[in-house]
Amino acid sequence: DAMVIQNPRYQVTQFGKPVTLSCSQTLNHNVMYWYQQKSSQAPKLLFHYYDKDFNNEADTPDNFQSRRPNTSFCFLDIRSPGLGDAAMYLCATSRQTSGVTKNIQYFGAGTRLSVL
Amino acid sequence: AQKVTQAQTEISVVEKEDVTLDCVYETRDTTYYLFWYKQPPSGELVFLIRRNSFDEQNEISGRYSWNFQKSTSSFNFTITASQVVDSAVYFCALSPGYSSASKIIFGSGTRLSIRP
Repeated sequence: DAMVIQNPRYQVTQFGKPVTLSCSQTLNHNVMYWYQQKSSQAPKLLFHYYDKDFNNEADTPDNFQSRRPNTSFCFLDIRSPGLGDAAMYLCATSRQTSGVTKNIQYFGAGTRLSVL
Repeated sequence: AQKVTQAQTEISVVEKEDVTLDCVYETRDTTYYLFWYKQPPSGELVFLIRRNSFDEQNEISGRYSWNFQKSTSSFNFTITASQVVDSAVYFCALSPGYSSASKIIFGSGTRLSIRP
């Protein structure tokens, strides 16, 4: 059974037209992450939510926003997609407690975004 | 600096051959975690193993084995008797030190092709 679910699997949008990608989880994990992965590259962390606290990576463009209305759901909003934003977007979750324990991240199958 | 290097961009072997994927990491932290993930063509990143910096014991799981050597900052992954289903991109990753969440630094990945 899928534990981190991303919808849709494929998304086509037009240049400049806002788009929202969704992620849900059944693991009850307190941390959720969004990664961008371009072809033949490693995933790049955009931001993460630790519970309700939003943590943006320093080099994430302002064009990318995120919402986490509850524990189970997290959304990635791209306000004005450009051609360079075409990529696979991966959602991940982990259970994190205070201290040094580095818990495993569980990934969804990703949403492949095309920008026309 | 925190960095993961996977020098092998692509590897192609014939089915049933053994294959080793190399991973070298850099960190100044004394506490850190290392991971291997598999990304099949479907796109989902699949967790394979986690190892903390205080545990240099090698691990075997079926046809998979991992060799962690702090002296050379390496965490290599060997597949014995490879199968076509092992074809995927494999990422080595590092989660350094203390942080509020399990932030992961990925290597650039090794694309493994197993030919029948």
